Amino acid sequence: AQSVSQHNHHVILSEAASLELGCNYSYGGTVNLFWYVQYPGQHLQLLLKYFSGDPLVKGIKGFEAEFIKSKFSFNLRKPSVQWSDTAEYFCAVNPRAAGNKLTFGGGTRVLVKP
Amino acid sequence: SAVISQKPSRDICQRGTSLTIQCQVDSQVTMMFWYRQQPGQSLTLIATANQGSEATYESGFVIDKFPISRPNLTFSTLTVSNMSPEDSSIYLCSVESRLLMDTEAFFGQGTRLTVV
Repeated sequence: AQSVSQHNHHVILSEAASLELGCNYSYGGTVNLFWYVQYPGQHLQLLLKYFSGDPLVKGIKGFEAEFIKSKFSFNLRKPSVQWSDTAEYFCAVNPRAAGNKLTFGGGTRVLVKP
Repeated sequence: SAVISQKPSRDICQRGTSLTIQCQVDSQVTMMFWYRQQPGQSLTLIATANQGSEATYESGFVIDKFPISRPNLTFSTLTVSNMSPEDSSIYLCSVESRLLMDTEAFFGQGTRLTVV
């Protein structure tokens, strides 16, 4: 079965710092890749997604992610975080051969200090 | 996008009882899913709710424990049966919206269940 690994469980950083969250998956076939964010007390929201084409995808709120097929990775980045980026971030993978089911990583809690 | 309403938003239940969670979507969707998010953990897919047929369960989840209904393309229920404290989790309904060849999953706000 496929799995998704997020390298950090917790990240604490100051405003204006750069953020990079790692995500690796184990699946040899073609995949769709997603990053979701869950702000405190709110539901999951899609940040960005990759289906095909340019491996560098840009999402909402200044986030971007790069798909590196050879490394089975889909790392999330933001050059300069804000206090409002405090949230939990989930990487998710959908192997196209598996239908439409999402496999989620363990999540990374990000705390941005003002 | 799809707007998903889940009821109840939270509940505290006695062990041995059952709770039915409702998921209502504001538009017809092809795929509906139920996930569980245990405390401090990530989301795990319980099952795919199929319209007009039995749900498809993931490994480790069974129909007797988590019966699911999906009577139409906008509504589904998940029942957590014979609850124990280990069932304390957030249960989330998710739907898939297809636009051309694109696919995106939307999530409800979840039902926070505490079993005492």
